[in-house]
Amino acid sequence: NAGVTQTPKFRILKIGQSMTLQCTQDMNHNYMYWYRQDPGMGLKLIYYSVGAGITDKGEVPNGYNVSRSTTEDFPLRLELAAPSQTSVYFCASSYSIGFGFGQGTRLTVV
Amino acid sequence: AQKVTQAQTEISVVEKEDVTLDCVYETRDTTYYLFWYKQPPSGELVFLIRRNSFDEQNEISGRYSWNFQKSTSSFNFTITASQVVDSAVYFCALHFSGNTPLVFGKGTRLSVIA
Repeated sequence: NAGVTQTPKFRILKIGQSMTLQCTQDMNHNYMYWYRQDPGMGLKLIYYSVGAGITDKGEVPNGYNVSRSTTEDFPLRLELAAPSQTSVYFCASSYSIGFGFGQGTRLTVV
Repeated sequence: AQKVTQAQTEISVVEKEDVTLDCVYETRDTTYYLFWYKQPPSGELVFLIRRNSFDEQNEISGRYSWNFQKSTSSFNFTITASQVVDSAVYFCALHFSGNTPLVFGKGTRLSVIA
């Protein structure tokens, strides 16, 4: 099992550009999450999904969109990148009380 | 409201010293789980421990130990005889029954100096 796989690992975007952060898990977990980590602020929940076709907002959803067409994939879309979205992004999945995290994507918006 | 507070932003210790990282949580639920994660300089999140709300026994794993006290809503983490490799950011997190997101504290950055 690869667990949770995120791509890319690093990315630099210009203000106003768009991109999709990819997240795939092979553990057949129904629940998936996107967090962002800013220095000294811990991890904050952006969006989560309880299963294919169902998504919900977390604490900091503005500026992001998600979709969940399959159990395995949960991409995060940035439509108009802003400097405030410079952060490290983590995707996670869970079944009951077991969580798996991806390696993170370090995004810089300049 | 569910909340995790790690009041210590940064701690520096000299190698071989013991260090305790504090975690205080808030929840109205009776069933919940507490986690500790380590984030080394390489950036990934490393799972350390999960404890459920009905098990208040302290846990020891090598140099690591955890003290869970429901009376004070705390789940503190102690590293004995710290080593340079322990330098990392440590996160405490809270999870409720069912498939709900983890709620993280802001983390404590530990620097162990040789």
